[in-house]
Amino acid sequence: SQELEQSPQSLIVQEGKNLTINCTSSKTLYGLYWYKQKYGEGLIFLMMLQKGGEEKSHEKITAKLDEKKQQSSLHITASQPSHAGIYLCGADNNAGNMLTFGGGTRLMVKP
Amino acid sequence: NAGVTQTPKFRILKIGQSMTLQCTQDMNHNYMYWYRQDPGMGLKLIYYSVGAGITDKGEVPNGYNVSRSTTEDFPLRLELAAPSQTSVYFCASSYTRGLYEQYFGPGTRLTVT
Repeated sequence: SQELEQSPQSLIVQEGKNLTINCTSSKTLYGLYWYKQKYGEGLIFLMMLQKGGEEKSHEKITAKLDEKKQQSSLHITASQPSHAGIYLCGADNNAGNMLTFGGGTRLMVKP
Repeated sequence: NAGVTQTPKFRILKIGQSMTLQCTQDMNHNYMYWYRQDPGMGLKLIYYSVGAGITDKGEVPNGYNVSRSTTEDFPLRLELAAPSQTSVYFCASSYTRGLYEQYFGPGTRLTVT
């Protein structure tokens, strides 16, 4: 079965700093999703990446998919306290009927 | 649209008790999913459904049962609750399979003692 490893597991940054979260897959990536989970709440969809080399941005968050490396990265520019939470990557299996999730990265932004 | 709703939000069960976690979506999505999230861990798929009357096992189905009699509802049944089932349970839905966003409910926090 596919496994997703996220790094780092946790991150504390000063407000205004940039940061990057990585998600590495044990198998070929057919679709990669990024979700954000606020502490104690459900998951909020951020972005979906389909093709190798694809890059998407929303406000100050940019995600890229490196298909060859079986890896995706999530970059936050000029972090704010509102960016705090748990970031999870999820990947489609080949049949497209289930998502496998990484263990999550806990982000804390210090004002 | 309310999206995906789950009840209850919190529940404490004694070992051996049973309960049903409710999940309803009002987006007319065909696909529905149940995940569990253990502390400090990612989500693991318990069961999923591709439409009314059709369900299938995910990664961790043991100790759970599901049914899908309508498009809107996808209840998760725990029989003979065990401490290992202490977790946060999330229900999700999507329009179809593949590269479509899954919409998540707010979760049910379950403790089995």
